[in-house]
Amino acid sequence: QITLKESGPTLVKPTQTLTLTCTFSGFSLRTSGVGVGWIRQPPGKALEWLALIYWDDDKRYRPSMKSRLTITKDTSKNQVVLTMTNMDPVDTATYYCAHTEYYTGAYSFDYWGQGTLVTVSS
Amino acid sequence: QSALTQPPSASGSPGQSVTISCTGTSSDVGGYNYVSWYQQHPGKAPKLIIYEVTKRPSGVPDRFSGSKSGNTASLTVSGLQAEDEADYYCTSYAGSNNPVLFGGGTKLTVL
Repeated sequence: QITLKESGPTLVKPTQTLTLTCTFSGFSLRTSGVGVGWIRQPPGKALEWLALIYWDDDKRYRPSMKSRLTITKDTSKNQVVLTMTNMDPVDTATYYCAHTEYYTGAYSFDYWGQGTLVTVSS
Repeated sequence: QSALTQPPSASGSPGQSVTISCTGTSSDVGGYNYVSWYQQHPGKAPKLIIYEVTKRPSGVPDRFSGSKSGNTASLTVSGLQAEDEADYYCTSYAGSNNPVLFGGGTKLTVL
């Protein structure tokens, strides 16, 4: 049974760096084809893909935010970490992490965490 | 890269069919067979209902079907039920530097 859960601060100040952790179970990021992505959703708005990391450490980022994002994995802890620098109030959103498997649904996310709301405000 | 274009809203009566479109370009929807659809109920995480244009994950009713023609993908919900009322989002692969491009979402109302 695959589960994912996001954790991190609920409130950050403008210009600060946000660090979010996705802790998962039921799969391993050592397994060929497996990946974890981050997706966010501002209140009342559409979903936006942010970043993706695969089992082989291949990393992809939303082009418009590439300079602000870093995604890493810790396979021993079953965790994926997303950092986002220079936070702004427009980055206020619910942040989700999600599982993907390249060989059985490339670029789609079949399991999602519950999401964590991050508010950017001074 | 711009988001994929979806109609903001769609509606249908119980038992009817409704189709939601997702329009992109030859660099995304039209160029690859990596279109996915997600259903999202208020306050909940999205749920994958279609991947690779036409495939349904295990447990998704066959009332949900996907297709693609040119640069436009479509999600059809047949035999509408009250629980189908939700927001629906499409995504497409748009190249190695932008592997997941979302649509703007469509709010489906069951009348």
